[in-house]
Formats: sequence, C-alpha cells, structure tokens
Amino acid sequence: NAGVMQNPRHLVRRRGQEARLRCSPMKGHSHVYWYRQLPEEGLKFMVYLQKENIIDESGMPKERFSAEFPKEGPSILRIQQVVRGDSAAYFCASSPRGMVDTEAFFGQGTRLTVV
Amino acid sequence: DAKTTQPPSMDCAEGRAANLPCNHSTISGNEYVYWYRQIHSQGPQYIIHGLKNNETNEMASLIITEDRKSSTLILPHATLRDTAVYYCIVRVVSSGSARQLTFGSGTQLTVLP
Repeated sequence: NAGVMQNPRHLVRRRGQEARLRCSPMKGHSHVYWYRQLPEEGLKFMVYLQKENIIDESGMPKERFSAEFPKEGPSILRIQQVVRGDSAAYFCASSPRGMVDTEAFFGQGTRLTVV
Repeated sequence: DAKTTQPPSMDCAEGRAANLPCNHSTISGNEYVYWYRQIHSQGPQYIIHGLKNNETNEMASLIITEDRKSSTLILPHATLRDTAVYYCIVRVVSSGSARQLTFGSGTQLTVLP
C-alpha cells in the first residue's frame, strides 16, 4: 500500500506565476489535509477536504490560494500569482475517517521556491 | 484543543531510552494525546496516541499520568535515526468533529553517538 504521494517534490516558480501542488492520498482514504511549513517554523494547518467538499479552510489565506479534492484524481493545492513569501514546504496528509480515532499519514512534501 | 508544553530540546545517548515529556494541564476528558515526529525535511510521522491508559507499539511507549495532565513518550533504545522534532498534540476525537492536528513547537531530540 503506497503512502501519501505528493508531487512534485520540488517546484520553482517566478513571482506572479501559478503553482499547482498535487497530493494522492493513501488507498481507501477520502480525507485530505494540507499544511504549510515556512522556513524555520512549525507546521500550520491550511485546509481539510473530503471528496468533492471543503470541510475546513480556516487556515487558508483569503486570496490566491485554493484547494480541491475531486471525485477522481488527486487533491490539488493551487497558488495563484505566487510571491516570495509563499516559499515553503507544503505537506499533505490523509486519513480514512477524518482522524476519528485514527492517525493521519503525511506525504514527503512539496518544497516551493519562488524566485 | 488543549495547549501543550514541551521542552525545546533534549539530548540522548545512542542506545539509551529517550524520555520526552509533555504537559497538558488543561486537557479535557474527551481529548486524546497524540505524538508525531518530523525528521529533518521529511513529512511528519505518526508515533502513538492514547486517552488515559498507557500505550505501547513497535516504535514507542506512551505513559499518561493518572490525572492526565502530563505524558511521557519513551523511545526505549534511541538510535541516530530517531533524531527529529517530536510533537505532542492534544485533540478531541469524535465522529462529529472534523478537527485537524495543531502542531506546536515540539522538542528537538538529538541522539548522540
């Protein structure tokens, strides 16, 4: 059973471009969480999605950021018009039942560098 | 979710037990204690969780005090690969809650050769 797969592992974007980060949850998991880790800082929750639904987006910046988890395919975190401050590691986690008495499994992250 | 307090850093000799403390004095009855770790540049890794009984798995043991106001994660025989930031997280777990994990600053454990 493959773990949570994130791609790309490294992404370089120029200021103003769009960044698309993909997350394929573990098989059988329908709950996905996105976290951001700025350099030398802790992990901050961004958004929680279930298939085709956003459950909690309280940690998402109000502008330029969006997330989706379609019925088919991976979850996508999209950052429009990237700025240098978006440079960070973005981690995705999945769980089978919304972390109700279960743990979450994290991917290896996508490291976004904005130049 | 209840707030946790952990020492910012600890050292441990290779082969010895690593005991990582966590205070959660405001924990409520329906909150679990979770431990995760993050090895440098990698995604966080689940270690163990518990409610009030002590728990053990292949990675570690979790000792929760009787009043549940603190807990200790024990790595019985630390290796160099256990060097990581260890996060103690307290959270409600119920079918009606969609709570995410809230990570604090954690404890940087360094295992020394």
